[in-house]
Amino acid sequence: GESVGLHLPTLSVQEGDNSIINCAYSNSASDYFIWYKQESGKGPQFIIDIRSNMDKRQGQRVTVLLNKTVKHLSLQIAATQPGDSAVYFCAENIEGQGGKLIFGQGTELSVKP
Amino acid sequence: NAGVMQNPRHLVRRRGQEARLRCSPMKGHSHVYWYRQLPEEGLKFMVYLQKENIIDESGMPKERFSAEFPKEGPSILRIQQVVRGDSAAYFCASSDRGYNEQYFGPGTRLTVT
Repeated sequence: GESVGLHLPTLSVQEGDNSIINCAYSNSASDYFIWYKQESGKGPQFIIDIRSNMDKRQGQRVTVLLNKTVKHLSLQIAATQPGDSAVYFCAENIEGQGGKLIFGQGTELSVKP
Repeated sequence: NAGVMQNPRHLVRRRGQEARLRCSPMKGHSHVYWYRQLPEEGLKFMVYLQKENIIDESGMPKERFSAEFPKEGPSILRIQQVVRGDSAAYFCASSDRGYNEQYFGPGTRLTVT
């Protein structure tokens, strides 16, 4: 089965609020993680990545946190905007298994104006 | 710098026909990955290729599916004798090296009638 999963399939937030999307993984050998955003009818769009030697990484309005102790990954979006509405996937790369990514099921983020 | 290109964007095939999906990676990228996405599901890894080599095909069905990435030209995912269960969105991603961020194309949506 999949080693990456998401706690919440849907998330609804008000415009301007912060959003937190969570992801659990079960493979302790996973050492590279990526968050993708996918809008309807489009391909996944790279948002941010993090390697296992880090526990936090920040981008523009986004922060990824990695807790290896509990095998948990989260994506925080600050000041969520309507354009952030999409499905968000976390993906992991397992050390020694080449470049393939294992994707979670996705969380649908809905931003209310 | 053009992104990952895929064509066709939509493909309709009758059962038993062949489907050919093409992917041109980003400029400078020599690593190509194919993923399949069924409706309301996450992406599933199929195959990982470098120029003229298949690196990992652990996600490819044993029959009817094949992939190549020739020295010149795009990567091709070929599905022979398509069945209704092959209907899905097929995404290609590329990276400049393995174990690094992958950028996705817009996908090919295959419909088998």
